[in-house]
Parts: sequence; C-alpha cells; structure tokens
Amino acid sequence: QVQLVESGGGVVQPGRSLRLSCVASGFTFSTYGMHWVRQPPGKGLEWVALIWPDGSTQHYGDSVKGRFTISRENSQRTLYLQMNSLRAEDTAVYYCARENQWEPNAYDFWGQGTLVTVSS
Amino acid sequence: DIQMTQSPSSLSASVGDRVTITCRASQGISNSLAWYQQKPGKAPKVLLFEASRLASGVPSRFSGSGSGTDFTLTINSLQPEDFATYYCQQYYSAPPITFGPGTKVDIK
Repeated sequence: QVQLVESGGGVVQPGRSLRLSCVASGFTFSTYGMHWVRQPPGKGLEWVALIWPDGSTQHYGDSVKGRFTISRENSQRTLYLQMNSLRAEDTAVYYCARENQWEPNAYDFWGQGTLVTVSS
Repeated sequence: DIQMTQSPSSLSASVGDRVTITCRASQGISNSLAWYQQKPGKAPKVLLFEASRLASGVPSRFSGSGSGTDFTLTINSLQPEDFATYYCQQYYSAPPITFGPGTKVDIK
C-alpha cells in the first residue's frame, strides 16, 4: 500500500536551517509529482512547494520562495525540503503529498506530517 | 492567485443530519476542485476530485457539485466518524495551489 513517511522536524532557532525528508513506498515514486503542504498549529492548509516526477521543475509558494528548496532522489524514493532562514511563521506541521495521477496538483495520499517549531 | 472561501466556517449537526458546505473561488476554475476531510492530529484525506468524483474508498453519502466559481459538498446522513474539518482546494490554476479556510463540523 502507498506510504509516505516524513521525518526531520524539530525545534530550531530563527534564522537557522532544517531539512525534511519524505520516504515513499508502495508505488513507483519516479512517476508522480510530489508536494509539500504545511499547517500552522490550529490553522488551515498552505501549499509550500511542488516538484515534477523527474525533478526538472519546481514551484514555490510566495511565503517560502528564495528560502526553501524542494528536491527528490528517485533512486531512494525520497522527497526533501531544505528550509533556510527559518522564521517563527514557518512553525507548522509539514506534510508531503502525492499528486493524483489523473488530476495534477490534487492529492490522493498524504504522509502523517512532521512538526517544525521555529523558536528562540 | 485564485482565492478560495468556504461557508460556514463551522457548524453543529447531529448524527443522521444532512450537511452542506459551500466553497467559492474568486474566479472560474471549471470543475478543478477537490475536497478533503481532516480529523484532529491526522493528515487530510481526499474525498472528491473534479468537484463531484468520489475518491476510491469514500462512502457514497459524500457528494459534490458545482462548476465555475460555486461548489458544494453534501454529507447525507451524517455519521459519527464524519465529525471533522473539511477543506476545498482548487487545482485549475496551479501553481499556486490554494485551499479554502476550512469548515469544522462538530456534534450538536
């Protein structure tokens, strides 16, 4: 069955960096677009970034553009989010999500999420 | 960017009730709309694609309709496991992908 398992979250000081990982199993990872979506505590969902199946193209939300980098290693079935210059407002649960094969940019599977807390 | 709104922001209902949630896009998105259900401490789960197509494994008491800018999610005969927060999401003009603010359905 499809599984997405995120890791790498934790408490980090403002201005520092963190890298999240999402390991995929149960499907051919290299054929799906992948996204990161975040959710601040008690708030709604915010799209963060997407990457095409072959890794050739990435897009970012305005709030993270220039600070975050999405990447993937298809041979390792792993998605990454490198987060630099972190701010308090980046505090959130970060989910990786798989695009639906027939509805690009809609999601059919989500990981369980990893919590990032940016605080001094 | 396309903005998504939902109404109401919360509602109280009883088991067996019929519940309707509305989602509106700031510009036409054809039928490129998904609905997700999220329970506390859990990841969102997809309910519908293309505004009205049930995702695999989703009970038939969930239905969706709409096209253009106005959409609805209906839950017929609300069950105890349906108490959750519901989000709409447009994928017509993406990126960016945008979500509605959510509608919390709780027990009356």
